Amino acid sequence: KQEVTQIPAALSVPEGENLVLNCSFTDSAIYNLQWFRQDPGKGLTSLLLIQSSQREQTSGRLNASLDKSSGRSTLYIAASQPGDSATYLCAVRPGAAGNKLTFGGGTRVLVKP
Amino acid sequence: DTEVTQTPKHLVMGMTNKKSLKCEQHMGHRAMYWYKQKAKKPPELMFVYSYEKLSINESVPSRFSPECPNSSLLNLHLHALQPEDSALYLCASSRQGEGPQHFGDGTRLSIL
Repeated sequence: KQEVTQIPAALSVPEGENLVLNCSFTDSAIYNLQWFRQDPGKGLTSLLLIQSSQREQTSGRLNASLDKSSGRSTLYIAASQPGDSATYLCAVRPGAAGNKLTFGGGTRVLVKP
Repeated sequence: DTEVTQTPKHLVMGMTNKKSLKCEQHMGHRAMYWYKQKAKKPPELMFVYSYEKLSINESVPSRFSPECPNSSLLNLHLHALQPEDSALYLCASSRQGEGPQHFGDGTRLSIL
C-alpha cells in the first residue's frame, strides 16, 4: 500500500528565504506526482505535475524535482513572500489506469514579513 | 478563479434533511471526483466517475449518493447525515487517464 509522507508538518521562514518542502513515498511505481497549494478554507490549487519519466518541472519561482528510485520529491520556492503562506500537499498517482491519488499530510508554511 | 465550480459554498443542515452538493466543469474532462476533507487533514477520496460511470466507491456510507447526469456535472446527494460528516467537500476533475486534477473551492458542510 502506497504511503506518502511530508516532513516537516509545519515550517516558518522569514521573507526572502528559499523554501524547501519534502515529499516521500514508499512505492516507486508511480505514474506521476502532483504538488498542490491550499489556502485556509479553500480548495486545492495545482502547482506542478511531474510525470514518472521526468526529473523536474519549473514554473516561475517554483521548481519540483522527482527521484523515483529513492521515493522522493522536493518542491523549491525561491525568494519566499508572505503570499506563499499556505499548506502545501503532494500526491502520487499509482498508474495510468488508476485515477486515485494518495496524498501526503501536507506542510503548513508561514512566511513572516 | 477556479475552473471547477461548486455550489453552495456553505451548507448547514439537520440530520433529517436532504440536500445536494453540485459541481460543474467545462474543461472537457471525463473523470470527476468527490473528496472529503477534515480540518488539518489531507483530502480523502470518496467517489470517482469515469465517462459518467461510477468507477471507484471508497466504501462510503449510503447516506452519501453520487450522481453524474452528464460529462460536465457531478452531484452529491445527502440524506440523514451525522455530525461527524461535517467537513469540506471537494470536487475535482481531470482528463481521463492523464493530466493534473483540478479542484473546486469546496462546500463547507455543517451538520447540526
